[in-house]
Amino acid sequence: QVHLVQSGAEVKKPGASVKVSCKASGYTFTYYVLHWVRQAPGHGLEWMGWFNAGNGNTYYSQKFQDRVTITSDTSASTAYMELTSLRSEDTAVYYCARGERYLADYWGQGTLVTVSS
Amino acid sequence: NFMLTQPHSLSESPGKTVTISCTGSSGSIAGNFVQWYQQRPGSAPTTVIYEDNQRPSGVPDRFSGSIDSSSNSASLTISGLKTEDEADYYCQCYDSTNWVFGGGTKLTVL
Repeated sequence: QVHLVQSGAEVKKPGASVKVSCKASGYTFTYYVLHWVRQAPGHGLEWMGWFNAGNGNTYYSQKFQDRVTITSDTSASTAYMELTSLRSEDTAVYYCARGERYLADYWGQGTLVTVSS
Repeated sequence: NFMLTQPHSLSESPGKTVTISCTGSSGSIAGNFVQWYQQRPGSAPTTVIYEDNQRPSGVPDRFSGSIDSSSNSASLTISGLKTEDEADYYCQCYDSTNWVFGGGTKLTVL
């Protein structure tokens, strides 16, 4: 069965960067796209971008394109999302999700990133 | 920018049927596949409907999705409501290259 296991919670200071990992299992990593979605406390879901694990192509939401980078280690079936220049508004749970470009079918458990001085 | 609008909250009794709407702001929601995600309190989202009306394996047939082109909207219908269906529900579609989420609907089953 498909599993996406994300790295643990992080606490960062404003201006720092965070890198969240998402390890996939139960399917061929390079056959699918991985999305990153975040959810601030008490708010809805916000899409950040997607990564095509087959060819390495990425596409980022305009809101995040200057600060986010999605990469992968194909040999480890793991994707990474790095967000730079953190501010308090970036405090959120970050999710990876497998799917196609237009949908997700399996989600990771989420990683809480807290930005606080 | 394309937006999806959902009712903020709905409540219904166990055993009843509820329909959650998701209305597109412009263009045509038909032809851009709509997905529905369920998020129970404290948990990650799960997919309950994809490609407008398809159910992933393991999702009961009490969940169904549809598109109404005339109102430029999508709907998620849950029949035979159970207390375990109490959750936030988000619609999502794909606008050329970007994902767009609705604001979410909090469904209370009481």
